[in-house]
Amino acid sequence: AQSVTQLDSHVSVSEGTPVLLRCNYSSSYSPSLFWYVQHPNKGLQLLLKYTSAATLVKGINGFEAEFKKSETSFHLTKPSAHMSDAAEYFCVVSQGINFGNEKLTFGTGTRLTIIP
Amino acid sequence: GAGVSQSPSNKVTEKGKDVELRCDPISGHTALYWYRQSLGQGLEFLIYFQGNSAPDKSGLPSDRFSAERTGGSVSTLTIQRTQQEDSAVYLCASSLALSGGAETQYFGPGTRLLVL
Repeated sequence: AQSVTQLDSHVSVSEGTPVLLRCNYSSSYSPSLFWYVQHPNKGLQLLLKYTSAATLVKGINGFEAEFKKSETSFHLTKPSAHMSDAAEYFCVVSQGINFGNEKLTFGTGTRLTIIP
Repeated sequence: GAGVSQSPSNKVTEKGKDVELRCDPISGHTALYWYRQSLGQGLEFLIYFQGNSAPDKSGLPSDRFSAERTGGSVSTLTIQRTQQEDSAVYLCASSLALSGGAETQYFGPGTRLLVL
């Protein structure tokens, strides 16, 4: 079984300050981990993914995440928030590269608000 | 090329009616997924197709839900005798499915279903 826990349902930061969105995962096997973003009334867009290569993963729009197996964490960070970053962010896990079933399991989401 | 498309974008129906939701995946993507996003349940997996077969139907909530895929391309999700709790956004995703759990899933804009 696999699951993800997003530790904050809502995060507010000021424009220009760092962003940290926290995610912990549980998986019986080596997982693949993703962060997706959903802007209001828009579809889900992939920010970045971890697939057992480098533990520090860089994504689009200046976001990055670090896979820490010892902490079972995959936190999302950005050095400087922009107003356009306001959206819902989902941490996602899949079974891993040794399985044909790529069902995604989503966290409950973190709503990021940027304060001007 | 074009992304994943879904139709209709919005559907309002009366309780007890049947509805069909359509998904056109990205050309060449062999894997296709249906998810549901609702206020109470978050984002949850429904069914996964590899080609025209569905090796994982574990997320379908009841026997009122069914899905098929023809020609390895278009998929339809059918909900029979709709209930108010079926109201949600139904999302479709597709991927190349080459590497097990590591492939990126590309999401469509969703169909917003409202059952009155």
